[in-house]
Amino acid sequence: RKEVEQDPGPFNVPEGATVAFNCTYSNSASQSFFWYRQDCRKEPKLLMSVYSSGNEDGRFTAQLNRASQYISLLIRDSKLSDSATYLCAVNRGATNKLIFGTGTLLAVQP
Amino acid sequence: NAGVMQNPRHLVRRRGQEARLRCSPMKGHSHVYWYRQLPEEGLKFMVYLQKENIIDESGMPKERFSAEFPKEGPSILRIQQVVRGDSAAYFCASSPAGGPENIQYFGAGTRLSVL
Repeated sequence: RKEVEQDPGPFNVPEGATVAFNCTYSNSASQSFFWYRQDCRKEPKLLMSVYSSGNEDGRFTAQLNRASQYISLLIRDSKLSDSATYLCAVNRGATNKLIFGTGTLLAVQP
Repeated sequence: NAGVMQNPRHLVRRRGQEARLRCSPMKGHSHVYWYRQLPEEGLKFMVYLQKENIIDESGMPKERFSAEFPKEGPSILRIQQVVRGDSAAYFCASSPAGGPENIQYFGAGTRLSVL
């Protein structure tokens, strides 16, 4: 079993739709959590950090559930420009390395 | 305010040659990480370095791969005697400090193709 697991998708949604991604992690010692966005053949770019209290940035909302060991990302009012691969990442803290899921591909259709 | 700089962006090598990938962290960042992304796979951690120190190299293949981050100059990931399976995108990231809450910012990557 992978330490961080994501549904690979693809998620094909129309513009304006709301879409949610989940990511599960197996190591309960994990300390910090992030969502990155990666466009085709580009580098990952930080979308947002994820906290137990939840955090929101415009159309994006991230949530952490430590008891069930998953993090989620909600995108409201999807735009064509949201089409990308969304990577969740977990930092166990012992040596700072990020453990990435394989990513979820989102395709927003006109 | 330059971000993480990697060069070259593309590197073509023949089997058996050496590949040297360079990474200059963001200004003010002293922690550098290397990740590899194989085609159709996720990012895999390779090594974590601070100036003149390797902190964690648990993701580095045991042979042919080495990394350094000297006191002066960029971090270098070196792959000796490359094989076709080394073809991948290699990303460098940097952070200002070492705690788990610190965000890692990624460079544009070096795409290595081994012929």
